[in-house]
Amino acid sequence: DAGVTQSPTHLIKTRGQQVTLRCSPKSGHDTVSWYQQALGQGPQFIFQYYEEEERQRGNFPDRFSGHQFPNYSSELNVNALLLGDSALYLCASSLGQILNQPQHFGDGTRLSIL
Amino acid sequence: KNEVEQSPQNLTAQEGEFITINCSYSVGISALHWLQQHPGGGIVSLFMLSSGKKKHGRLIATINIQEKHSSLHITASHPRDSAVYICAVSPLETSGSRLTFGEGTQLTVNP
Repeated sequence: DAGVTQSPTHLIKTRGQQVTLRCSPKSGHDTVSWYQQALGQGPQFIFQYYEEEERQRGNFPDRFSGHQFPNYSSELNVNALLLGDSALYLCASSLGQILNQPQHFGDGTRLSIL
Repeated sequence: KNEVEQSPQNLTAQEGEFITINCSYSVGISALHWLQQHPGGGIVSLFMLSSGKKKHGRLIATINIQEKHSSLHITASHPRDSAVYICAVSPLETSGSRLTFGEGTQLTVNP
């Protein structure tokens, strides 16, 4: 039973570039959430996708966008990268929009902006 | 002020010691989660609870809904318990499975 997988594991970009991160949810899960974790801090919610639509969004600018595909996998896109976008990006999957579902996390993509 | 506060931020213990990590929150919640994060970054869910107490091996989690407070206890700590422990809540004001996280407690257990 495959867990949550994220790719790539590490990525180095320069300011102004664009990046796409990918996430495959745990088998059987249909909801994907993305979080940004800066060094030494707790994760911050970016947005959540369910049924190929963005259902909830945290306090992140429009430079952060996403997509969910019919197979429930998801992408996080960040445009016009800033130094402050350097962080670990975590994907979590769960089942449906039901409250109190266990979250399953991937190992994250570590993004460094030079 | 963060909606989820943890203490302490850093904790160093000797192998075998009893460890307590505390979490306070300021919003109404449907559930509270304790998670473990190792240096590689991956996060593992330890507990999800909405009342009372849960136990898994040497780990115990308790929650007091009235006081908006939860504790994670580790009995007979071991160096392999060294990790960041994060408290997160599912706020009532948001639907679905969105989590609000504390900043984590870095635990180091020395042999």
